[in-house]
This record gives sequence, structure tokens and C-alpha cells, in this order.
Amino acid sequence: QTVVTQEPSLTVSPGGTVTLTCASSTGAVTSAQYPNWFQQKPGQAPRPLIYSTTNKHSWTPARFSGSLLGGKAALTLSGVQPEDEAEYYCLLYYSGTYVFGTGTKVTVL
Amino acid sequence: QVQLVQSGVEVKQPGASVKVSCKASGYSFTNYDLTWVRQAPGQGLEWMGWISAYNGNTNYAQKFQGRVTMTTDTYTTTAYMELRSLRSDDTAVYYCVRLSLGLENWGQGTLVTVSS
Repeated sequence: QTVVTQEPSLTVSPGGTVTLTCASSTGAVTSAQYPNWFQQKPGQAPRPLIYSTTNKHSWTPARFSGSLLGGKAALTLSGVQPEDEAEYYCLLYYSGTYVFGTGTKVTVL
Repeated sequence: QVQLVQSGVEVKQPGASVKVSCKASGYSFTNYDLTWVRQAPGQGLEWMGWISAYNGNTNYAQKFQGRVTMTTDTYTTTAYMELRSLRSDDTAVYYCVRLSLGLENWGQGTLVTVSS
């Protein structure tokens, strides 16, 4: 059973920068796992932010960026806004199947 | 624009089956795969499987194999997800999602409650 692990919670000040990571129990995350990142606010469907490691959707604010960092997928929020407070999920591809990460609750305080 | 409109709330007894529909519009239906994701109350997202709208090929998460069937109807551009032998821990919001640039377009979700 593959497990994808994220930080349970992170707190950031408005205007600050925070990096969320996404680790795989099978080893280092690579671009061949096409990391996706999603933002979810209470009562809403997830909103896609990043696909294929670094690519933004047309609606993704410029302050969000994706990368690979130290064997993990990473999502960096720069110049955090109050409306960025949400749950964030990563998603990794494994030979025809996908696994979601455990999720990170980002608090803007 | 791409739209995925799902069927409404379902309440089922344990042991029953549920079939959730997902009506797609705004794109060429057979050119994109669809996947299903669920979220139990207060819990994270869980990938259930995907289906090719082109040829009906499927790939299910191991957890759901034998209990889930995903199908499509190309004439009505509708996808279906049937889950059988429901248990209380199947209570969740079920989403259909179009696979394009990643999991790009999401339906509004369908709440399925399993309770006696």
C-alpha cells in the first residue's frame, strides 16, 4: 500500500512564504509521477493548482509554484494572502493509478 | 466551457448499491479519460479509479476492486460509478473528474450517505 505523506499543518504570516512537501513511501518523487497540487476550502470541491510538477492552470495565481525538492514534490506559496488559508493536497501517479497525499492545512495568521 | 454535472444526494442502507452519474458537456467526450475521487466527512481525498471514455478501459484502486464498476455512455456523454455492498464508511462525497491537464475539471460532487 503506497502512502503519500504531507505535513499535517503549517502556519504562515500574511505576505510570507511557505513550502509544502509531498513524499512517497516508495522513494524519491520524480517528474514521471506527474505531481499535481489542489487547494480545497470548506464545503467546496478541490481546485487544481499545479499539474506535471511545475505547470500552472490558467486560473492559478502567480504566487503558487511547484517543484521537486530533496526527493519530494513541493508547492511554494510566496506573498501569502489571507484567502490562501485552505487544505492542500498533492497527487502522484504510480503506473496507471493515482494516490492522494494526506493533506496539509495551511493557516494564515 | 467544460462542465461535469453529477446526480443528486443518495441515501442508502448498508449492503445496497449506489450508481452516481456525471453528465459531461463542453468538450469531445471520447477524447478524455475520467476519474472518480471520494472524500469522507472531515477526511482527505481518495482516488477510486479511472475509465477511458474512448474504449471503456478501466483501472480501479486496489481497495475498490470487485466492488466498483465505472462505465460511460458515449451517446449521452455520461459517466457512471456504481459501488456495491455499501458500508457506513462509504459515506462520502463522490466526485467525477476529467483528466486533461492533470485532474483538471471537477464535478460538483454527490453526497452518498450509508445508514440504516
